[in-house]
Formats: sequence, C-alpha cells, structure tokens
Amino acid sequence: GENVEQHPSTLSVQEGDSAVIKCTYSDSASNYFPWYKQELGKGPQLIIDIRSNVGEKKDQRIAVTLNKTAKHFSLHITETQPEDSAVYFCAADDTGGFKTIFGAGTRLFVKA
Amino acid sequence: DSGVTQTPKHLITATGQRVTLRCSPRSGDLSVYWYQQSLDQGLQFLIQYYNGEERAKGNILERFSAQQFPDLHSELNLSSLELGDSALYFCASSGTLGYGYTFGSGTRLTVV
Repeated sequence: GENVEQHPSTLSVQEGDSAVIKCTYSDSASNYFPWYKQELGKGPQLIIDIRSNVGEKKDQRIAVTLNKTAKHFSLHITETQPEDSAVYFCAADDTGGFKTIFGAGTRLFVKA
Repeated sequence: DSGVTQTPKHLITATGQRVTLRCSPRSGDLSVYWYQQSLDQGLQFLIQYYNGEERAKGNILERFSAQQFPDLHSELNLSSLELGDSALYFCASSGTLGYGYTFGSGTRLTVV
C-alpha cells in the first residue's frame, strides 16, 4: 500500500522567511496529493492540492511542486506570518483513490 | 464551521467500556472517512464508507466497528476500551472520490 514520508518533523523560521516541507510517496499509481493545515484544537483543513498531470501549483503565498519521476512533492510557504504556525500534513491517495494516506506531519513555528 | 459535525467533542470513559462516536458529513458528500490521531502522531486511517457501503479498511482493530446509515451519517463504535485507545478521532467527508476531504473538529477520547 501507499506510504508517505514527510520531513522535517519540526521547522522553525523567522517571520518573513520561506518554509519548505518535503514529502515522498511509494505508490507510483497515486495521482492526487493534498496538503492540510491543522491548527491547535481543530481538524485538518485542506489548503492546496496537486494532481499528477501538473508539476506546480500556486495559491498566493503557498505553492506545491510535484516530481512524479522521483515521487517527491513539496510545499513552499513564502513570506511566512505567525498565523502560519501549525502542523502541516502532506498526503497521497492510494491506488483506486479510496483513501488518503497522510505523512507524519511537520510542526511549523513562525517567530515574530 | 467546516460542515462536518462530530459529537461528542470530548468523552471520558473507563477501560473495558464501549463508546459510540457520531459524524454527520457535509451536505451532499457521500463518502465518510474515520481517522485516529494519537498524541503527537499523524493521522491513521481506520475505515471509509461510500453511500452506505464499506469501501476501504485501514489498521482498524477488531474491537472497533463502524457503519454509515441511509441518511449518510456515520458512527464509529469502540468497545473493550484500553488506555491506548485514548486519542483524537476525526471524521472527514468528501464528494467525489479522489478529491480533498473536509474534516470535522474531532472527538477527544480519554480512557482512564
């Protein structure tokens, strides 16, 4: 089955700097890669996603890149703000799309 | 409010007991997913239902069971509870398979 690895587990940046979170997946048949943000005491919230027929997608300060050959995908947050502090999860759908497998999460701290 | 409703928000129970967690999906969503999140852990997939039928199963213990009713709400039943079952249990819903999920705010289960 699908396995998703995520790095780093913790990331601390200064406000205004960029943050990058990297993930790898194992199932070459996966074709949907969402990213979720989980704030304290809340459920994860979908913030951006990318499909296998696209190499990059951007939405304001966040962008995702996908390298299908290498089975890598990354989340880039530019001009970080304190409210970006949260746990971020990458994910990939399994073959058939019946479930999504999540990475272990990255706890992002943005220092003001 | 994400549109996915989970009740109760908190539950404290003793070892050996049985509890039922309830989830109402976002209006129009046919798929319901259950995930377990232990302290500082990622999201572990338990089970998925689509329009009343079980579609995918993860590492769900035999002591756990779930179902989705004709009105599309779902219940997760946890029995013979152990201390290690203490966790956040999230329900998520989606419309079409292979798209992002909408998560509820979770049920925090504490087994004492």
